[in-house]
Amino acid sequence: NAGVTQTPKFRILKIGQSMTLQCTQDMNHNYMYWYRQDPGMGLKLIYYSVGAGITDKGEVPNGYNVSRSTTEDFPLRLELAAPSQTSVYFCAGLKAGYTGELFFGEGSRLTVL
Amino acid sequence: GESVGLHLPTLSVQEGDNSIINCAYSNSASDYFIWYKQESGKGPQFIIDIRSNMDKRQGQRVTVLLNKTVKHLSLQIAATQPGDSAVYFCADSPNTGNQFYFGTGTSLTVIP
Repeated sequence: NAGVTQTPKFRILKIGQSMTLQCTQDMNHNYMYWYRQDPGMGLKLIYYSVGAGITDKGEVPNGYNVSRSTTEDFPLRLELAAPSQTSVYFCAGLKAGYTGELFFGEGSRLTVL
Repeated sequence: GESVGLHLPTLSVQEGDNSIINCAYSNSASDYFIWYKQESGKGPQFIIDIRSNMDKRQGQRVTVLLNKTVKHLSLQIAATQPGDSAVYFCADSPNTGNQFYFGTGTSLTVIP
């Protein structure tokens, strides 16, 4: 199993550009999450999904969109990138009914200039 | 949103000593708590969890204590090793069970 895979690992965007961070998992996770982590800070929940076709906002959803067309994939879309979106983004998965053992990807470091 | 915070941002301990990392939470509806370890350049990894109907849970070299009266939990690491150097996060989940909120983190440095 590859686990939770995020691409790209690094990306530099110009202000106003758009991009999609990809996240795919092969662990049969029902739930999937997107977090952002600013330097020296904790993780903030952006969006989450409890199953295919179902998504919901977290703490900091503004400027982002997600979709969950399949159980395996949970892409995060940034529209009109802003410097405030410079961060490390983590995707995570969780099996429903299990503990809170979120399985995280390696992260995607995004810089908006 | 949730408010999960840590008392100290950094902690240095001597190798072999015990470490105690503290965390405060504010949401009375939180009924499930988790500790994660994040090594440099990696995603967080699950360490141990505890439900609100417990006040103590032990794992391998780690113990989590929960004090619901003062909304406080702690992670104790016994015989701290250099490999324990990392940032430690507490996270909580309200009774909806689907969302997990993380604190700021404590950076633990183990001195050889």
